[in-house]
Amino acid sequence: SSDLTQDPAVSVALGQTVRITCRGDSLRSYYANWYQQKPGQAPILVLYSKNTRPSGIPDRFSGSSSGDTASLTITEAQAEDEADYYCNYRDNSGDRIVVFGGGTKLTVL
Amino acid sequence: QVQLMQSGSEVKKPGASVKVSCKTSGYIFTSYAINWVRQAPGQGLEWMGWINTNTGNPTYAQGFTGRFVFSLDTSVSTAHLQISSLEAEDTAMYYCVRGLGSDFWGQGTLVTVSS
Repeated sequence: SSDLTQDPAVSVALGQTVRITCRGDSLRSYYANWYQQKPGQAPILVLYSKNTRPSGIPDRFSGSSSGDTASLTITEAQAEDEADYYCNYRDNSGDRIVVFGGGTKLTVL
Repeated sequence: QVQLMQSGSEVKKPGASVKVSCKTSGYIFTSYAINWVRQAPGQGLEWMGWINTNTGNPTYAQGFTGRFVFSLDTSVSTAHLQISSLEAEDTAMYYCVRGLGSDFWGQGTLVTVSS
């Protein structure tokens, strides 16, 4: 089980905008990170510290947060964005545990 | 460039042990922690814990104590995950991941436990 909740599946039409959400009380205190995982591949980091993109991640990926919910928004979704997306956070106190959300499968129609 | 190269797939029988290696390059090994993440077939990501590459001190997530051991060989910038008394439920892809920010991932090592 996880204390971060994600919708299991979301779909978006090609070129449209989609928001993927991640909910949990801990997100009132910690920033969410977001990972993209395509079939047969390792995850890659696409956003960290709520809305910072690592080098090489397109600017159509953006993040936001409100209350207990963090969101990943993909603007003008492309076919190559079809993937599983996971949120997580790291508790910076104590043992610095990490918690992952259950993941959202994004389908680009 | 930063790379985390993991050892190859393993097939083991129940009760056996396995050691997964994660050789890093492109950065100072002791500057970043190493996390371990498990992904069972068709399932999500599960954080197993992390190891402080300065002190060698491991931290294990709930459910990953006892049979799971994180270790280091700093002389070759490599982290290891050892799993003993393997069970069928340990069949999964195992990833090493750099840093408290989890920014770079190894390619994964598939461990299959089957009689």
